[in-house]
Amino acid sequence: DSGVTQTPKHLITATGQRVTLRCSPRSGDLSVYWYQQSLDQGLQFLIQYYNGEERAKGNILERFSAQQFPDLHSELNLSSLELGDSALYFCASSVAPLNGYTQYFGPGTRLTVL
Amino acid sequence: GNSVTQMEGPVTLSEEAFLTINCTYTATGYPSLFWYVQYPGEGLQLLLKATKADDKGSNKGFEATYRKETTSFHLEKGSVQVSDSAVYFCAPYFGNEKLTFGTGTRLTIIP
Repeated sequence: DSGVTQTPKHLITATGQRVTLRCSPRSGDLSVYWYQQSLDQGLQFLIQYYNGEERAKGNILERFSAQQFPDLHSELNLSSLELGDSALYFCASSVAPLNGYTQYFGPGTRLTVL
Repeated sequence: GNSVTQMEGPVTLSEEAFLTINCTYTATGYPSLFWYVQYPGEGLQLLLKATKADDKGSNKGFEATYRKETTSFHLEKGSVQVSDSAVYFCAPYFGNEKLTFGTGTRLTIIP
């Protein structure tokens, strides 16, 4: 158990819908990262927050947004969903913006868009 | 630019065989280097890391040495077990506040 929690574990929805994925980092970790893992794209970095502020952005679509709240939990919002958004979405946390610090991964949310 | 190249899988070995999974990187500086493992149905876990040249990371019988001369961080294990079956990711940290993951290598160990 990494100490990072993600909810829900599974999500099934239809095209065009909007969903919210939630992540609680390990106690004491200020940085949160979101990743998308799909069969064709591999593991892709989406976005990073540190203590409530966006720090780095990767291959995140405009239909996707995220935020980190004062209690440090984070939410990833996916809207206008398409079939191709079906993937595993991982959240990870670390003590500080990564510089040799280990990232701890949650168990992931499996999103299926029908 | 910065990039990582990881040995393509899948890799299938018999129990107690020797394992090598190659990982090389291209970087303008000296990244920290990580190996993560993903067991079936789970999230990624840090397996080992090395933060400077000639450092050796080790954990659970796995080892990897940071080779600056060859820009490599190959993962090795002397005698694999069925429980090592997983997907392994090489992940350099190039200093841009995110890890860059390799494509992953799926390892299957046969009893």
